[in-house]
Amino acid sequence: DTEVTQTPKHLVMGMTNKKSLKCEQHMGHRAMYWYKQKAKKPPELMFVYSYEKLSINESVPSRFSPECPNSSLLNLHLHALQPEDSALYLCASSQVQGSYSETQYFGPGTRLLVL
Amino acid sequence: DQQVKQNSPSLSVQEGRISILNCDYTNSMFDYFLWYKKYPAEGPTFLISISSIKDKNEDGRFTVFLNKSAKHLSLHIVPSQPGDSAVYFCAASARAGYSTLTFGKGTMLLVSP
Repeated sequence: DTEVTQTPKHLVMGMTNKKSLKCEQHMGHRAMYWYKQKAKKPPELMFVYSYEKLSINESVPSRFSPECPNSSLLNLHLHALQPEDSALYLCASSQVQGSYSETQYFGPGTRLLVL
Repeated sequence: DQQVKQNSPSLSVQEGRISILNCDYTNSMFDYFLWYKKYPAEGPTFLISISSIKDKNEDGRFTVFLNKSAKHLSLHIVPSQPGDSAVYFCAASARAGYSTLTFGKGTMLLVSP
């Protein structure tokens, strides 16, 4: 089973709203990722969690706040977003063995529209 | 600077023929390469990968070839099917540390009946 689930599938929010995106995997993976993807562009890495600790933050604005409550769950808290933040937000996970990461498996994504 | 390049934005192939998608990379530290398939508004689906210790990996209709000296890899799909129509992303990582994936810009494959 290589399933990563994400909720919600679609989200519309105003610029003053607070919302959260959720991601879950039960593959025993210890690395989890948030990506942002705009149309006709490759996924852009936002955050990496390894063993529930934030290991990479790709200079993402503070209006995006990640959280990893346990090894299976990853959240992305959204606050005061801008219309240009509208995109497909993808979660991924991978095993971490020793010092390298393996294949990343992606969830279906959350399509976010900021009005 | 693009470290992973997919120079063909699109490719059209007839059903039953071979599809060849190409990818070039510049970072010699990359030693693990993956291909993902993506439908619109969905997450990328992992297709096949290859480690730098190999030059070929096969999985059903999909074969990935790696030419390290040329820093080039290709994905062959034989025979192509209309359901293969999607955007294909090449990605690469370096195994040192908690490596992240570097993606190419993708190639849109259209397989016509």
